Amino acid sequence: DQQVKQNSPSLSVQEGRISILNCDYTNSMFDYFLWYKKYPAEGPTFLISISSIKDKNEDGRFTVFLNKSAKHLSLHIVPSQPGDSAVYFCAASATGTGTASKLTFGTGTRLQVTL
Amino acid sequence: DADVTQTPRNRITKTGKRIMLECSQTKGHDRMYWYRQDPGLGLRLIYYSFDVKDINKGEISDGYSVSRQAQAKFSLSLESAIPNQTALYFCATSDLRDRETQYFGPGTRLLVL
Repeated sequence: DQQVKQNSPSLSVQEGRISILNCDYTNSMFDYFLWYKKYPAEGPTFLISISSIKDKNEDGRFTVFLNKSAKHLSLHIVPSQPGDSAVYFCAASATGTGTASKLTFGTGTRLQVTL
Repeated sequence: DADVTQTPRNRITKTGKRIMLECSQTKGHDRMYWYRQDPGLGLRLIYYSFDVKDINKGEISDGYSVSRQAQAKFSLSLESAIPNQTALYFCATSDLRDRETQYFGPGTRLLVL
């Protein structure tokens, strides 16, 4: 049972345009969400996070939006740059439970930013 | 220098062999994790440890064991490797004060023949 879903395995966007990566979750206990970026031959690196008490968090070119009623979050990258080409993983945590600090990951979306 | 290191980076072994993957960190974090990544399945948690005396099973612990030798070291063992354990393995750490943000090592690519 995939509790965190990234339904788009890949996405191609032109340089300078907006990239929108989507993530859906099914577990209503999840209250903290993170995005990680992964380059080939490297480990995932933390990008941005959001708590369920917020609906938006912004860090430079990266913004994460959370829609709790729809159990949906999205990562917006504006403007997209070639260096953003990587695999992006969505992750979720249920901080108020005994499983705090355990992350459940989605399957990833490969973003390619073209010139 | 990398904060989270994993050795070896690549390993080929045969079915039935015992193999150990090692993870070291210089971040001073108390929490450490082992994940495996398979194509189309994302990262799945194998084991995690909140301190030296604490070991917990994750989502897919069967066929694996771990040892937390010190706060900075967390090793993963495959007692008798099988081909479906071929995967990319990641170690990660987090700090109690920001426990959800995990920092990953570069990964170990394991092939079991």
